[in-house]
Amino acid sequence: KQEVTQIPAALSVPEGENLVLNCSFTDSAIYNLQWFRQDPGKGLTSLLLIQSSQREQTSGRLNASLDKSSGRSTLYIAASQPGDSATYLCAVRAGAGSYQLTFGKGTKLSVIP
Amino acid sequence: GAVVSQHPSRVICKSGTSVKIECRSLDFQATTMFWYRQFPKKSLMLMATSNEGSKATYEQGVEKDKFLINHASLTLSTLTVTSAHPEDSSFYICSARTSGRWANEQFFGPGTRLTVL
Repeated sequence: KQEVTQIPAALSVPEGENLVLNCSFTDSAIYNLQWFRQDPGKGLTSLLLIQSSQREQTSGRLNASLDKSSGRSTLYIAASQPGDSATYLCAVRAGAGSYQLTFGKGTKLSVIP
Repeated sequence: GAVVSQHPSRVICKSGTSVKIECRSLDFQATTMFWYRQFPKKSLMLMATSNEGSKATYEQGVEKDKFLINHASLTLSTLTVTSAHPEDSSFYICSARTSGRWANEQFFGPGTRLTVL
């Protein structure tokens, strides 16, 4: 059974810092990995999706990497802003024929002005 | 594009009543819709997967008679929590996927906060 772990559970940084969020998964046979953002009491916003054949994806100040063989992904946020404060979730999809996502518990990020 | 809405956003009900939550894909046809449940500081847990016009597939441990799912059209799925109890209080989120270019992604709704008194 796939398990997804995110470390740390919470992170507080001053505005302007670069930071890294970590995600690990136990079964490396994944189809893709996705990073989401969730604001308090809200749904999920997709940030980046990395296919299993890819190493990284970038969108603006965000860069996500994937090391499938070691079961790890990182989300790098450059020049953090208070508006980046949210919970960040990573999720893995098992296979092409299954659309089920297995989520981690998330990392709650607070960017202090 | 790819907007998913949920209604209501928040509902409070008495124990023993039934509550219906709607999930709509506003600008695309959802071939598959998913229902998740999220407890505080916990992962999103998939409850069931539904394809338009067919019965939902429930995850292990999810009571199908308790959580009734109907996917009557390509833009609407409903989750009915029957005879709700306080332990059913949770945040319920739906997602939808379509075919074609965006087939690999799920688009999530804003969630529904259910509180059972």
